[in-house]
Amino acid sequence: AQTVTQSQPEMSVQEAETVTLSCTYDTSESDYYLFWYKQPPSRQMILVIRQEAYKQQNATENRFSVNFQKAAKSFSLKISDSQLGDAAMYFCAYRWGGNAGKSTFGDGTTLTVKP
Amino acid sequence: DVKVTQSSRYLVKRTGEKVFLECVQDMDHENMFWYRQDPGLGLRLIYFSYDVKMKEKGDIPEGYSVSREKKERFSLILESASTNQTSMYLCASSLRPPMNTEAFFGQGTRLTVV
Repeated sequence: AQTVTQSQPEMSVQEAETVTLSCTYDTSESDYYLFWYKQPPSRQMILVIRQEAYKQQNATENRFSVNFQKAAKSFSLKISDSQLGDAAMYFCAYRWGGNAGKSTFGDGTTLTVKP
Repeated sequence: DVKVTQSSRYLVKRTGEKVFLECVQDMDHENMFWYRQDPGLGLRLIYFSYDVKMKEKGDIPEGYSVSREKKERFSLILESASTNQTSMYLCASSLRPPMNTEAFFGQGTRLTVV
């Protein structure tokens, strides 16, 4: 069974600084997708960034980037120039092409941004 | 703008009541999901549906059932609500694989069973 582990229940960062959130996963599949979702206090979960496992290049979306290490099954999220609006719970998720596209989520990391 | 809408943001129900949570998506997605979110436990999949009238159990289906009579609507049913079903419920939809698309979520329903 696929599992996703986020080892940091809580993280904090100073505004304008950089923070990295960790995620590891376990799978025997070779073709899959990884996602980071953000859930702000308003509760609407939104996508931050995605990574296809077959792509070696790390995904980047503006201030958000990932460090994807396929052999190590690691998928960390780096937030640069942190802003107050980045404060939220972040979930790492794994999705396999089969199995009707179910996603497995980690337990989440609560990020606090200090002004 | 894509949208997943859950019928209620807050619900308070009594133990033993039959509870319906409704979810509607306007993106013509094949897949729809119901998750339960509890502190420290992340999102746990209750049920999902990959087509009209099709459903599969997720990781924690006990005490729940679902209905999908139309493509855009996916209902979660608590047959006899219990206090341990007090939780945040999230509905999501997505395209069917192998599209590398993400899941789109509703705003969540905070259910309290008293």
